[in-house]
Amino acid sequence: DAKTTQPPSMDCAEGRAANLPCNHSTISGNEYVYWYRQIHSQGPQYIIHGLKNNETNEMASLIITEDRKSSTLILPHATLRDTAVYYCIVSDYNNNDMRFGAGTRLTVKP
Amino acid sequence: EPEVTQTPSHQVTQMGQEVILRCVPISNHLYFYWYRQILGQKVEFLVSFYNNEISEKSEIFDDQFSVERPDGSNFTLKIRSTKLEDSAMYFCASSEEAGGAYNEQFFGPGTRLTVL
Repeated sequence: DAKTTQPPSMDCAEGRAANLPCNHSTISGNEYVYWYRQIHSQGPQYIIHGLKNNETNEMASLIITEDRKSSTLILPHATLRDTAVYYCIVSDYNNNDMRFGAGTRLTVKP
Repeated sequence: EPEVTQTPSHQVTQMGQEVILRCVPISNHLYFYWYRQILGQKVEFLVSFYNNEISEKSEIFDDQFSVERPDGSNFTLKIRSTKLEDSAMYFCASSEEAGGAYNEQFFGPGTRLTVL
């Protein structure tokens, strides 16, 4: 019962913005959108999350459409170290677990 | 910066043996988790733990698995009788709070379990 759909892979040029899309058309009102990434075989790393407003932190920006059915994670100036698998996860307000899908493998190229 | 630590980094065991994977969560965190990732596959949730009891578990977390917080710092995952298919990377995570609005989880580097 996949709650999110992401492209399997994307490329981005170093120094450019990386825009990673996520579709979550069945999202409900009390579900948040979380983004994590996994560099090689390391433990997943939290990036950002949001409910309905756009969010920005030191790592990335999260743009959520007004109907909340999709979102985009933006890495403003991608570096080679941003090469990783990026996971978009919908998490219910009452849930503790993160249900990871296949994610998007982002490759940043010089 | 505080981090989650896990030991050992790699554990090799024989099928049918018991293993205990250890984690030290971030000190002020109250919620603890175990995930696993079979090679080449997605990260899978196993269990969450709060206030000395399991709060959620997945269908993977059957009677062969157990978790414990034996003291104020360690959080352990025990597999009673390992099977070949238990071979995976096991990640521990912790969070200060839980629930959709505050569920920023910090993951450890993982323990690679190899069952022969």
